[in-house]
Amino acid sequence: AQKVTQAQTEISVVEKEDVTLDCVYETRDTTYYLFWYKQPPSGELVFLIRRNSFDEQNEISGRYSWNFQKSTSSFNFTITASQVVDSAVYFCALRGFTGFQKLVFGTGTRLLVSP
Amino acid sequence: DAGVTQSPTHLIKTRGQQVTLRCSPKSGHDTVSWYQQALGQGPQFIFQYYEEEERQRGNFPDRFSGHQFPNYSSELNVNALLLGDSALYLCASSSGLAQETQYFGPGTRLLVL
Repeated sequence: AQKVTQAQTEISVVEKEDVTLDCVYETRDTTYYLFWYKQPPSGELVFLIRRNSFDEQNEISGRYSWNFQKSTSSFNFTITASQVVDSAVYFCALRGFTGFQKLVFGTGTRLLVSP
Repeated sequence: DAGVTQSPTHLIKTRGQQVTLRCSPKSGHDTVSWYQQALGQGPQFIFQYYEEEERQRGNFPDRFSGHQFPNYSSELNVNALLLGDSALYLCASSSGLAQETQYFGPGTRLLVL
């Protein structure tokens, strides 16, 4: 069975601080995808990134960066110099690689960035 | 390029009633998945439609049913509503058999009284 754990329920930071959101996953698949989504108060899930299990290169996109470590089954997300607009709930998700596959989500981490 | 759209945005029903939620996928997408998100939880997979057939189903009772139309839009039907069905219902669309990334709509907030 697939499982995603986001142990941090809520994180509060002050603007311009760096923050890391943790994600640990379990799967018996040898190939899979990992995702991060952002959910602002409006409710819509906004896609941030997709990583393939065979590509362990870290990725940076502006203030966002992702650290994928297959050895520890982790896919952590760091926001550098956080801003108030980053306040949202962030979800890590996992899905199998081929065919019709569902997304398995963690319980989310609520990030509150104060001015 | 229109994204995923859902209607209605909000809905209030009473126990025992039936509800239909609608979803139009992102342009170019042919697969629709439905998720239920209870307050404070992550989304839970309900089912997925491709070529007008249900391809995969999560752990939801038969009260939850769906349909996909030739234009790829989809409906989610819930019969005999229970208080516990109150949630945000999210529709996601994706493209092709690879199904790599699912893009989500704004959701429908259902309140069952």
